[in-house]
Amino acid sequence: QPRLQESGPGLVKPSETLSLTCSVSGASVRSTGDYWGWVRQPPGKGLEWIGNIYYSGNTYYSPSLQSRVSLFVDTSRDQFSLSLTSVTAADTAIYYCARASSFAFDVWGLGILVTVSS
Amino acid sequence: YALTQPPSMSVSPGQTATITCSGDDLADKYVSWYQHLPGQSPVLVLYQDSKRPSGIPERFSGFTSGNTATLVISGTQATDEADYYCQAWDTALVFGGGTRLTVL
Repeated sequence: QPRLQESGPGLVKPSETLSLTCSVSGASVRSTGDYWGWVRQPPGKGLEWIGNIYYSGNTYYSPSLQSRVSLFVDTSRDQFSLSLTSVTAADTAIYYCARASSFAFDVWGLGILVTVSS
Repeated sequence: YALTQPPSMSVSPGQTATITCSGDDLADKYVSWYQHLPGQSPVLVLYQDSKRPSGIPERFSGFTSGNTATLVISGTQATDEADYYCQAWDTALVFGGGTRLTVL
């Protein structure tokens, strides 16, 4: 059974860059047809898609975040990463990494709470 | 592109819960449904409109017609109380706003 684990700082200052990494075990990020993505949930709100990446490096971003977000994949380490620039309090959320297979997120990480505050 | 769900609904134990998700031309897209319990990660309960992942009980079913996708939970149990989100791909991936299902 694949497992995903998010890692990164739990506190980021306003205007700085939020960086998170997702480590994949029990599966390979090079698996054909599998995409790897990020979803977040602000406190008291619903799920919001951030973006997906394929092992080839092809990326797909939420239109509302694409000016600030970048995704990267490291096939040698079976990891993929999120970078979100110029963060504000509105970016405070639980961030989940997940595997997208057959157009659905079928495996999720436990999530990591990231707070944007000075 | 937007997906619209009712914010909340309630159902009695043992009854059938139907949660709707509306979006333009939804029947032309693959719809997925997620169950999200507080403090846990979302769980995929249906994908490609009506397919159940391994381990999801048969009481979860779904269908899409026209502009509306529907998640049906038959014989609802107390453990089904959760937030449910629909999701689809258009030019980008979109989640519905979520429906809080209360079992009482």
